[in-house]
Amino acid sequence: AQKVTQAQTEISVVEKEDVTLDCVYETRDTTYYLFWYKQPPSGELVFLIRRNSFDEQNEISGRYSWNFQKSTSSFNFTITASQVVDSAVYFCALSETTGGFKTIFGAGTRLFVKA
Amino acid sequence: DGGITQSPKYLFRKEGQNVTLSCEQNLNHDAMYWYRQDPGQGLRLIYYSQIVNDFQKGDIAEGYSVSREKKESFPLTVTSAQKNPTAFYLCASSIDRDRGDEAFFGQGTRLTVV
Repeated sequence: AQKVTQAQTEISVVEKEDVTLDCVYETRDTTYYLFWYKQPPSGELVFLIRRNSFDEQNEISGRYSWNFQKSTSSFNFTITASQVVDSAVYFCALSETTGGFKTIFGAGTRLFVKA
Repeated sequence: DGGITQSPKYLFRKEGQNVTLSCEQNLNHDAMYWYRQDPGQGLRLIYYSQIVNDFQKGDIAEGYSVSREKKESFPLTVTSAQKNPTAFYLCASSIDRDRGDEAFFGQGTRLTVV
């Protein structure tokens, strides 16, 4: 069955700290996509990254980095030197090929970055 | 600016009323989606459409209806049959649903039953 677990409901850090948001997924497909989205207080989800199941290379984009490990079915997201503007809810999502790329979202992790 | 526009931002509904949430996109995307978000939960799919004049039920379609008469527009009607409609509703679009593309989201409509 398709499932995404974000075990951390809320995380609170002080500005400039590094923080890692965990995402564990379950799927029977060999071809799938993983995503991270950011939901700021304004409400809309903003796309951050898409990773396909055949590409396990870690990715870095500025202060953001992602660690994809198929062996542990995890796709964790790290923010380095966090800033107040990083405060938001972050969603991990999984899209399987079976069933026509249905996308399942995790419950989200609310990140508070204090000045 | 290309994007997705949802209106209204806030909507109040009396018990027994139907209400319609608007969603318009100018990204020329084929696929459009409606999600419901409840506190502490992820997004749940209500309906999706891959092409004009075609749409499919998602995981929680009961009490909702949609139409897709134009590529740019995908309105959602919350009917009186929806027993617990108070939630945050998000509309999204993607280039093509069958490629695992990322979705682009509107700013949402917060619906409250009074």
